[in-house]
Order: sequence, then structure tokens, then C-alpha cells
Amino acid sequence: AQKVTQAQTEISVVEKEDVTLDCVYETRDTTYYLFWYKQPPSGELVFLIRRNSFDEQNEISGRYSWNFQKSTSSFNFTITASQVVDSAVYFCALAEGLAGSNYKLTFGKGTLLTVNP
Amino acid sequence: GAVVSQHPSWVICKSGTSVKIECRSLDFQATTMFWYRQFPKQSLMLMATSNEGSKATYEQGVEKDKFLINHASLTLSTLTVTSAHPEDSSFYICSARGGRGPYEQYFGPGTRLTVT
Repeated sequence: AQKVTQAQTEISVVEKEDVTLDCVYETRDTTYYLFWYKQPPSGELVFLIRRNSFDEQNEISGRYSWNFQKSTSSFNFTITASQVVDSAVYFCALAEGLAGSNYKLTFGKGTLLTVNP
Repeated sequence: GAVVSQHPSWVICKSGTSVKIECRSLDFQATTMFWYRQFPKQSLMLMATSNEGSKATYEQGVEKDKFLINHASLTLSTLTVTSAHPEDSSFYICSARGGRGPYEQYFGPGTRLTVT
């Protein structure tokens, strides 16, 4: 069975601080996919990134960056120079890559990030 | 692109009645749709997966006779909560995925159901 652990339940930072959200996953599959989603107070989930298990390259998108390390089964998310608009719940998710699995997502419990002005 | 809508965005109903929630993919064909429920300050719990033209596959512990799912077309799936009770009050979210690969699931804005 697969599992996603987001150990940080809540994080509070002051604007312009850098913050890293941790995500550790467990899976027996050799092919799998990792995701990050943002859920602002409005409730709608916003897709941020997808990573394939065979691609360990880190990625940067503006103030966001992701560090994927298979050796430690981690897929951490860093926001640089945080802003108040970054306040939201962030979910890490894992999809198994088995044919016929429908690539169902297993979500972590989420991390509530509060960025204070 | 990749917009998913849900209707209604919120609904209040009396105990014992049924409520239907619609999920539509507006600009792509959704081969697979998923239904989740989310309790306050908790994660998303997958309820069922539906493929167009097939019966939905329910997760363990989800009552298929209570949560009826229909995926009638490549752009529409419905969730009907039958004989709703206060414990069914929750935030219901659908998502849609196009294609056969692990492409991103695009989520609807959610429906807040309150059963009185």
C-alpha cells in the first residue's frame, strides 16, 4: 500500500521568509507519480507540479522549487520569499503507475501554511 | 484550459432527502472522474472512481447504494447522496482526468453539503 506523510501540520512564517514543506512517500511501485496541490481558503485545489519517478531533476518555477530525492523517498516543496497569498493548505500526493490503477491519488494530510505580513 | 465545474457550490437539504451534485469538464474530455469528500481540516478521501460508460468503482467503506455515481458522458459525472443524514454533511470534490496516462487530475471547486 502506498502512503504519503506530511509531518508538518501547520507552519507559520513572516512574509519574505523562505519555507520548506516536507513530503515523504512510501510505495512498492517502481513507476509512480508525485504531485503537489494548493488549496486556498476558497477550497478549490490548484495543481502545482507533477513528477515522474524516473525523473529526479529538481524543478524551479518562479518562487517555487521542488526537491525530489528517491534515496530518501522525499519530494519537498520550497517557497522562496513567501507572500501572504501563499497562505493555504498544501497537499502532497502520490499516484501508482500500475496499468488499470486509474492512477488514483493518495493524499498526505496536508500542511497549513500561514504567511503573516 | 482544463477547467472542471461543479454544481451546486453549496446546498442545504433536510435529513432523508436526496441531493445530486454535478461535475463537468468544460474544455476537455474526461475519461476518468473521481469523487472525494473532505471533512474540515482534513485531507481528501477518495470515495469512488468512474470511467465513462462504466460502473463506478467504490473505495472500501463507501456505501455504493448511498452515494450513487453516474458517468454518463465524457464531460459529465454526477454524485447523488441518497437519504442524506447530518453525518453526510461534508465538502465534496470531483476531479477529472483526460487521457490514459497519469496526467494531472483537475479539480472542481467543490460542493458544500449541509444536511439539517
